[in-house]
Amino acid sequence: SQQGEEDPQALSIQEGENATMNCSYKTSINNLQWYRQNSGRGLVHLILIRSNEREKHSGRLRVTLDTSKKSSSLLITASRAADTASYFCATRANSGNTPLVFGKGTRLSVIA
Amino acid sequence: DGGITQSPKYLFRKEGQNVTLSCEQNLNHDAMYWYRQDPGQGLRLIYYSQIVNDFQKGDIAEGYSVSREKKESFPLTVTSAQKNPTAFYLCASSINGGNTGELFFGEGSRLTVL
Repeated sequence: SQQGEEDPQALSIQEGENATMNCSYKTSINNLQWYRQNSGRGLVHLILIRSNEREKHSGRLRVTLDTSKKSSSLLITASRAADTASYFCATRANSGNTPLVFGKGTRLSVIA
Repeated sequence: DGGITQSPKYLFRKEGQNVTLSCEQNLNHDAMYWYRQDPGQGLRLIYYSQIVNDFQKGDIAEGYSVSREKKESFPLTVTSAQKNPTAFYLCASSINGGNTGELFFGEGSRLTVL
């Protein structure tokens, strides 16, 4: 089952612009994580936000979490061509010892 | 350097053949995972293991088998029973399978059935 759904499926922006990706999920969570995947490569962890947190920053990344709406957003500021990749949200359920469930991802293209 | 190594990176198989994908980690992580990735479908969980000699089925375990005889190793066998095995397979590990923690991924193995 895929709990997270990213929106949009694809996003194309100019270098220097900000990119915003959204993730919606269905059940209560312990934490939500964002990952990045370059084409044909493995995923790399970007940031984790816990259910009791509302916002978190890491460099040019800003993640928000709204548990009442069951949604999260990832903002990449001042984008670069090297940010071109697919971005996935992943959720860990609040019940038991369950593995992460990934969404389908957003494909970001940053045009130089 | 610490990390997860998947091999082979590319693999071709004839229909009806079993194939085993290797996943080794030297991060001393307890939990290991196998995901399948198809275009436009994101990652789907095949099997996971939170401790040596124990593993659980994920969402799409049919046609696959795993073993966890050593902490460092979690090989995945794609059997002839898997009807549509062509995909990108990703192995991951985490410190434990608990309610925290990030996943560390290998570089993937791309399997093509001819």
